[in-house]
Amino acid sequence: GDSVTQTEGLVTLTEGLPVMLNCTYQTIYSNPFLFWYVQHLNESPRLLLKSFTDNKRTEHQGFHATLHKSSSSFHLQKSSAQLSDSALYYCALRGYNTNTGKLTFGDGTVLTVKP
Amino acid sequence: DTTVKQNPRYKLARVGKPVNLICSQTMNHDTMYWYQKKPNQAPKLLLFYYDKILNREADTFEKFQSSRPNNSFCSLYIGSAGLEYSAMYLCASSRNIAETLYFGSGTRLTVL
Repeated sequence: GDSVTQTEGLVTLTEGLPVMLNCTYQTIYSNPFLFWYVQHLNESPRLLLKSFTDNKRTEHQGFHATLHKSSSSFHLQKSSAQLSDSALYYCALRGYNTNTGKLTFGDGTVLTVKP
Repeated sequence: DTTVKQNPRYKLARVGKPVNLICSQTMNHDTMYWYQKKPNQAPKLLLFYYDKILNREADTFEKFQSSRPNNSFCSLYIGSAGLEYSAMYLCASSRNIAETLYFGSGTRLTVL
């Protein structure tokens, strides 16, 4: 079945430094959707980014990610971390030609940004 | 309004007793989902309704039931709670199966 791997469970950064959260995936689908969801403390997870197109950069709220099908990766990046970026980040996958509606999540990465 | 509402926020249950969790959305989304989230684990899909059609994951098929009496409302039912059911339960909805999921704040269930 599908799987999503987020190698870092916890990332701690100093404000102003670049952010990179890793995400790789395995799927039987040739055209998967990849997502990044962010969950701040005491809030519900919300969509941050999504992509379907190979090698196209997608951006939102200062974050960006590029889906690379050749390496099955969808890493999340930001040039300069802010204190408010501290949150739990999930990478997730959905097959395009599926009628199951199933979103497969990675285990999540907790990002902590310190002053 | 893109809110998915879940009640209650926290729930305590006794082993062997039933549990009913409630979710609602007013976005007229045709698909509603229930996920289980345990600490340091990925959210795990339990089941989802596409319109009136219930789909349950094979490995949790016998543990969870659900009902959707109308488009806005969806419940998650546990017939006999066990300690292993203690988790955060997240409800989500989407306009259709291929669209973005909107999550509720979750119900934290503790089984004693």
